[in-house]
Amino acid sequence: AQSVTQLGSHVSVSEGALVLLRCNYSSSVPPYLFWYVQYPNQGLQLLLKYTTGATLVKGINGFEAEFKKSETSFHLTKPSAHMSDAAEYFCAVIRQPGRRALTFGSGTRLQVQP
Amino acid sequence: DTAVSQTPKYLVTQMGNDKSIKCEQNLGHDTMYWYKQDSKKFLKIMFSYNNKELIINETVPNRFSPKSPDKAHLNLHINSLELGDSAVYFCASSQAAQGSGQYFGPGTRLTVT
Repeated sequence: AQSVTQLGSHVSVSEGALVLLRCNYSSSVPPYLFWYVQYPNQGLQLLLKYTTGATLVKGINGFEAEFKKSETSFHLTKPSAHMSDAAEYFCAVIRQPGRRALTFGSGTRLQVQP
Repeated sequence: DTAVSQTPKYLVTQMGNDKSIKCEQNLGHDTMYWYKQDSKKFLKIMFSYNNKELIINETVPNRFSPKSPDKAHLNLHINSLELGDSAVYFCASSQAAQGSGQYFGPGTRLTVT
C-alpha cells in the first residue's frame, strides 16, 4: 500500500521567490502521483499528475513536479511565487493497483509575503 | 457550467437528525467519490462508485449511506448525526482509467450542534 508524506505543514516565501513543496511517497509498485491545490473555502483543483513517461510534469499556473524514483519523491516547484499562489497544497497517491481513490498527504499551507 | 456540483454548500443541524448531501457531475465520468475533510484539513476517502456500483467503502459507520441513482449522481445520506460528523464533505468524479485525475466539487460544510 502507498502513502504520502508532506514535509512542512507551513511554507512561507516572498513574492517572486522559488516555491518548493515537498512530497515523498512509500512505494512497492510504480505509483500514480498527484498535486492538488485548495483555495480558502473552495474545492480541490488538480495542478498536475504523474502516471508514466516523462518524469518532469508541467501543470497549471506555472507549477511543475519531478518524479524521482530513487528518492521516492514528487516535489512541487514554481520558479516565481505570486500572491495568488497562497493556498493549501496536497500531494496524493493512488494507494494500490486497481484502486482509484486517492490517499492524501496532510497538506502544506503556502504563504506568500509581499 | 459547473463540472461537479454539490448541494447544499452549508448544512447546520442538530445531533440525532438525518440529512442528505447531493452531488452531480456533468463531465460524463463513470466513477464518483465522497471524501471527508476534517478540521485539520486531512482528507480521507469514504466511498467510491463506478457505474452506480459501490467499489470502495472505507470503514465508514453504517449511519452513512451513499446512493447512486445514475452514474452522474452520488448522494450521501447520514442518519443520527453526531458531533464528530462535523466536517467538509467533498464529492469528486473521474474517468475509469486509474491515472485519471479527479475533479472535486466545492464541498459541503456540515456543522452538527
